[in-house]
Amino acid sequence: EPEVTQTPSHQVTQMGQEVILRCVPISNHLYFYWYRQILGQKVEFLVSFYNNEISEKSEIFDDQFSVERPDGSNFTLKIRSTKLEDSAMYFCASRETQVYNEQFFGPGTRLTVL
Amino acid sequence: AQSVTQLDSQVPVFEEAPVELRCNYSSSVSVYLFWYVQYPNQGLQLLLKYLSGSTLVKGINGFEAEFNKSQTSFHLRKPSVHISDTAEYFCAVMMRTGANNLFFGTGTRLTVIP
Repeated sequence: EPEVTQTPSHQVTQMGQEVILRCVPISNHLYFYWYRQILGQKVEFLVSFYNNEISEKSEIFDDQFSVERPDGSNFTLKIRSTKLEDSAMYFCASRETQVYNEQFFGPGTRLTVL
Repeated sequence: AQSVTQLDSQVPVFEEAPVELRCNYSSSVSVYLFWYVQYPNQGLQLLLKYLSGSTLVKGINGFEAEFNKSQTSFHLRKPSVHISDTAEYFCAVMMRTGANNLFFGTGTRLTVIP
């Protein structure tokens, strides 16, 4: 069964460093999302992406963040100059069509900023 | 704005006992309602959803939920739990129009005791 994959499963970085979190959505899906969950808090929407551009973003998704679909299969989240408060689990999701459809989630990447 | 409240952060229950996980939501617009489950080291998996029609919806693994518009609730129930149901459960809403991102609650950790 097709699934969303994410790499790495755990990333440790020093404060101020840049990180790139990678996701491979399900192959025929067109809409992509990033969510994050700070330990003990709710899962929060960061950004949605369609047709090679951002379609929606939350107030969390500031200039520190960027997303890209560099090669038609990967969907990446870049965090520039990481802060301690960026430590969280980051989930990628994808869905097939514009009409309501289920979002399929990846297993997440745990980012730890030291 | 949308918000989702899961009042119970942890619910311990004995095997074969019934369980109810509570979810209340607040929204100025009509929403779709969801329950997701997260097993250890895995992504979020859709348990069930309410889009329209019958207010009692059945999902995978014997779970069901009832949409109550007047109480703005969408509680999850299972008549008899198994050890394998031990997981984190997230309630979420999505606006019916406009953005298709999910708004999650803080989650309820269900622990089934043998």
